[in-house]
Amino acid sequence: DTAVSQTPKYLVTQMGNDKSIKCEQNLGHDTMYWYKQDSKKFLKIMFSYNNKELIINETVPNRFSPKSPDKAHLNLHINSLELGDSAVYFCASSQDLQGPYEQYFGPGTRLTVT
Amino acid sequence: GQNIDQPTEMTATEGAIVQINCTYQTSGFNGLFWYQQHAGEAPTFLSYNVLDGLEEKGRFSSFLSRSKGYSYLLLKELQMKDSASYLCAVRSPLISGGYNKLIFGAGTRLAVHP
Repeated sequence: DTAVSQTPKYLVTQMGNDKSIKCEQNLGHDTMYWYKQDSKKFLKIMFSYNNKELIINETVPNRFSPKSPDKAHLNLHINSLELGDSAVYFCASSQDLQGPYEQYFGPGTRLTVT
Repeated sequence: GQNIDQPTEMTATEGAIVQINCTYQTSGFNGLFWYQQHAGEAPTFLSYNVLDGLEEKGRFSSFLSRSKGYSYLLLKELQMKDSASYLCAVRSPLISGGYNKLIFGAGTRLAVHP
């Protein structure tokens, strides 16, 4: 029973392409997140949705567009991929965005842009 | 500004005790999390502190001093499987809505040797 799942696990693509990463959680949580972990292992918040509403939108290029069709799903679409987008992208969820709840992370998607 | 500092790497011997320090300077503070991340895997929750003092959970303990902007994670009876990165994350309030976000340090890579 996977709590937070992401697809694909690996994504290799060329510069200029458009790609999507999908995320689903079966924990019944209200809040979902996208994080980027770069080569130095620094984990940084990109977006957060609470009950399908965008709450956190960090300084991220507008080539990145999250979409939450329902509370259990949060997808990330990336347009015109660049070399610097290469990283591991983690989806996460938590009970909500107000309480001190732990975040549950998906297995990550390793994106390589060539 | 937001700044979270941890040592980059530490080594220790199986069966020993190791203390991983974290200092933080953030614009707001609503608690501190520790996460463990094995290579190539997702971060997993270890502990949460919001009040000063020590929280003990089996072989792992976490300490917080809010006045000093300081926390540490104490790992006892080290095992080989404890070789991983340990991420310190501050729960920082957003400007409105009673929401919070996690700001992560770069992580401490711990290597446990026989």
